[in-house]
Amino acid sequence: GDSVTQMEGPVTLSEEAFLTINCTYTATGYPSLFWYVQYPGEGLQLLLKATKADDKGSNKGFEATYRKETTSFHLEKGSVQVSDSAVYFCALTSWGTALIFGKGTTLSVSS
Amino acid sequence: DGGITQSPKYLFRKEGQNVTLSCEQNLNHDAMYWYRQDPGQGLRLIYYSQIVNDFQKGDIAEGYSVSREKKESFPLTVTSAQKNPTAFYLCASSTGQGGGQPQHFGDGTRLSIL
Repeated sequence: GDSVTQMEGPVTLSEEAFLTINCTYTATGYPSLFWYVQYPGEGLQLLLKATKADDKGSNKGFEATYRKETTSFHLEKGSVQVSDSAVYFCALTSWGTALIFGKGTTLSVSS
Repeated sequence: DGGITQSPKYLFRKEGQNVTLSCEQNLNHDAMYWYRQDPGQGLRLIYYSQIVNDFQKGDIAEGYSVSREKKESFPLTVTSAQKNPTAFYLCASSTGQGGGQPQHFGDGTRLSIL
């Protein structure tokens, strides 16, 4: 079945460092890909999405490009802030079915 | 503002007791979902519903039950058959149309055993 694998954390960075969180997927069809963010004690918020190959999703300085050839959707940000500390989830869905999530990556940014 | 409301925020269950978690949305979404979140395991699908009066089991439905009598509401009951119910429960909704629609999440209910 479909699945998502993302790098294990925690990822610990200093403020203004470059961030990459790797995400790869396995899917039989042509899934849509998402990054969600979860702050402590809260639900998930959609960060960005891409619905077809070569699409780039972007929001709040975060970017991810849908790479069909490498089945990847890596999350990047050029300069992280303390407020970016959270858990990040990569997810996919095919044909409107329920999301399939990776296990999440905890990011901790220190000043 | 439109959104998803989960209640209560914290819930405690005694042994042998059934408890019900509420999920209400005013986004006019057709599809609704329940997920369970455990540390280090991501989110796992319990049940989902794509239309009123219809719902489907997800990956970990045993020990849980749901109903979908109204479009806006999708309550989850954690029954006494669920032997390890301590977790963070998240409800979500989406338009259910096509593959590119994101899901919108509530703020979750944390369930613990007394």
